[in-house]
Amino acid sequence: RKEVEQDPGPFNVPEGATVAFNCTYSNSASQSFFWYRQDCRKEPKLLMSVYSSGNEDGRFTAQLNRASQYISLLIRDSKLSDSATYLCVVKSRSNYQLIWGAGTKLIIKP
Amino acid sequence: SQTIHQWPATLVQPVGSPLSLECTVEGTSNPNLYWYRQAAGRGLQLLFYSVGIGQISSEVPQNLSASRPQDRQFILSSKKLLLSDSGFYLCAWSSAVGLATNTYQETQYFGPGTRLLVL
Repeated sequence: RKEVEQDPGPFNVPEGATVAFNCTYSNSASQSFFWYRQDCRKEPKLLMSVYSSGNEDGRFTAQLNRASQYISLLIRDSKLSDSATYLCVVKSRSNYQLIWGAGTKLIIKP
Repeated sequence: SQTIHQWPATLVQPVGSPLSLECTVEGTSNPNLYWYRQAAGRGLQLLFYSVGIGQISSEVPQNLSASRPQDRQFILSSKKLLLSDSGFYLCAWSSAVGLATNTYQETQYFGPGTRLLVL
C-alpha cells in the first residue's frame, strides 16, 4: 500500500461547478498535511496547509479526518485557471521529509 | 523573502555524458535542501536531501550524486548519464527542523526545475 494515495483522475468538471477530491495516508503518526498545485511543466506550489479544524482560503476548503486517515480538498465555483494537478503531501512530526501523492489531475471545461 | 534558483532550465545531453545541475537559495540560512525527480506523468521521487554543508542523504541508489559545498548551494551530478535519467529535476528548500514556528515553515518550496532529456 502506498503511503499517500490519490485518485489520478482526470476529473473533468464544467466551469462554475464544485469539485472535491480526497487523499488517504497510511501513517497514523503523520502530523502535517498540505495541498500543492502543479501546473503543466511547472514546479509544485503550495496551495494550502490542512489544519485539524479544517481551513478555508477563498474558494478552497481543506479538511482532515484523522480517524479515517484522509484529507480532502473542495473547490467551489471552479475557474478555468484551476486546471492543474493537485498533490497531497504528508509529513510526520520527527521527519523533515515530505511524502508525496502522485497527484489528481483536474480539468475545468468552459 | 526567500527565493530559490535553478539552472539550466532545459538540458539535452547524450547518454554517457556528465551532468551538473545547480540550485541556490537566497534569504534564509541553514535550510534543508532537497533534490527530486519527476518522470513524465508521475509523482515526485526524492533523490537526495541535506540538512547542512557536506551532509547528504541518498534516498534512491543510482548513478547520481549530490553535494552541498556551501550553506545555500546544492548540486546534483552524474559522471555518466543514462536514458532513464531523463526527467524534471526539482530543487526544494525548507526551514530546518526545530526552527519552524508554523506549518508554512515546515513545508517545502521549489525552484523552477530543470527539464533534462538524455538521448
